[in-house]
Amino acid sequence: QKEVEQDPGPLSVPEGAIVSLNCTYSNSAFQYFMWYRQYSRKGPELLMYTYSSGNKEDGRFTAQVDKSSKYISLFIRDSQPSDSATYLCAMTLDNYGQNFVFGPGTRLSVLP
Amino acid sequence: DAGVTQSPTHLIKTRGQQVTLRCSPKSGHDTVSWYQQALGQGPQFIFQYYEEEERQRGNFPDRFSGHQFPNYSSELNVNALLLGDSALYLCASSFRPGTGLGSTEAFFGQGTRLTVV
Repeated sequence: QKEVEQDPGPLSVPEGAIVSLNCTYSNSAFQYFMWYRQYSRKGPELLMYTYSSGNKEDGRFTAQVDKSSKYISLFIRDSQPSDSATYLCAMTLDNYGQNFVFGPGTRLSVLP
Repeated sequence: DAGVTQSPTHLIKTRGQQVTLRCSPKSGHDTVSWYQQALGQGPQFIFQYYEEEERQRGNFPDRFSGHQFPNYSSELNVNALLLGDSALYLCASSFRPGTGLGSTEAFFGQGTRLTVV
């Protein structure tokens, strides 16, 4: 079993749809959770960053963390063609390093 | 404000050769981490540098080594290249752990695409 698993996709949705992206993980010690967006041939771009369980909202993006289920989600409302990218979840044990463990990514296409 | 910059953007090397990749962190950041991203996979942590020393290391062989300079820039060296080393190499910068400034908020560069033939 991989340490972090992610819905592989690819996922295609019409413009304006609500998108749900999900990751599960096996190490209950993870404390910090991130979502990155990566456009083709580019480096990952930090979207959301949450600590422990709970929700965090930023514009059209909402990140949820459920530590009891070892499950995190990213919701995108009113999806736009410019949201078409690969979405990577990442997590780490504590605030004393940067040994992020990434999921394999979900490729999203938002169709006009 | 310059973000994380990496050079070169693309590189083709032959098996057995050695390669050096370079990274300049985002302005104000003093910590650099390196990741390897194979095609269709998420990035894998190689190592992290701050205060010019390797602080954490992932599951990579000794063929992968690095260096950090006093201006916080960093190099990744890979010796005895294998075909399997072909990947996108990413540099991420942040504040040093323990400063309370957010060492887990890492910003990535565009990467160096290394092809080993």
